[in-house]
Amino acid sequence: QVQLVQSGAEVKKPGASVKVSCEASGYTFTTFYIHWVRQAPGQGLEWLAMINPTGGSTTYAQRFQGRVTVTRDTSASTVYMALSSLRSADTAVYYCTRGSNIAVAATFKYWGQGTRVTVSS
Amino acid sequence: DIQMTQSPSSLSAFVGDRVTITCQASQDISNCLNWYQQKPGKAPKLLIYDASNLETGVPSRFSGSGSGTDFTFTISSLRPEDIGTYYCQQYDNLPPTFGQGTRLEIK
Repeated sequence: QVQLVQSGAEVKKPGASVKVSCEASGYTFTTFYIHWVRQAPGQGLEWLAMINPTGGSTTYAQRFQGRVTVTRDTSASTVYMALSSLRSADTAVYYCTRGSNIAVAATFKYWGQGTRVTVSS
Repeated sequence: DIQMTQSPSSLSAFVGDRVTITCQASQDISNCLNWYQQKPGKAPKLLIYDASNLETGVPSRFSGSGSGTDFTFTISSLRPEDIGTYYCQQYDNLPPTFGQGTRLEIK
């Protein structure tokens, strides 16, 4: 069965960076885009970025351009999301989710369990 | 970015009631609209894709309709396990965007 398993919770100070991993299993890793979506406490869902695991091409939400970097390791079937210059507003649960084999066809059936990132001095 | 306006933001209904949530897109998105259910502390769960298609394993009391800019999500007969927050999401254009959510409670 398809599984996305994320790394554990992180606590960071303002200005620091965080890197969250998402290991995929149960399907051919290079077939489907992986997206990152976050949810601040008590808030809605916000899309950050996506990666094509085949070639590694990425697309980022404009408001995160320059702060977010998504990479992948095909040998480990793992995608990484790094967010830099953290501020308190970045405190959220970060989810990886599998899209389709078409970039724009972002229907999210499979989700990771979420990684809580807390930014606090 | 396409804005998704979802209403109401919260609602309370009795078990057995028919519940309706609406979602309006800021531009024509054809049928590129999904609906998710989220329970506290859990990842969202896909219920409806392509505006009206029921995801495998999802009870038939859930349904979706609409195209263009106006969409509706319906629970035909509310059950206690349906409590949670519901989100619409468009994928006609990047970036994918979500409605602000509807929190559903039982009276």
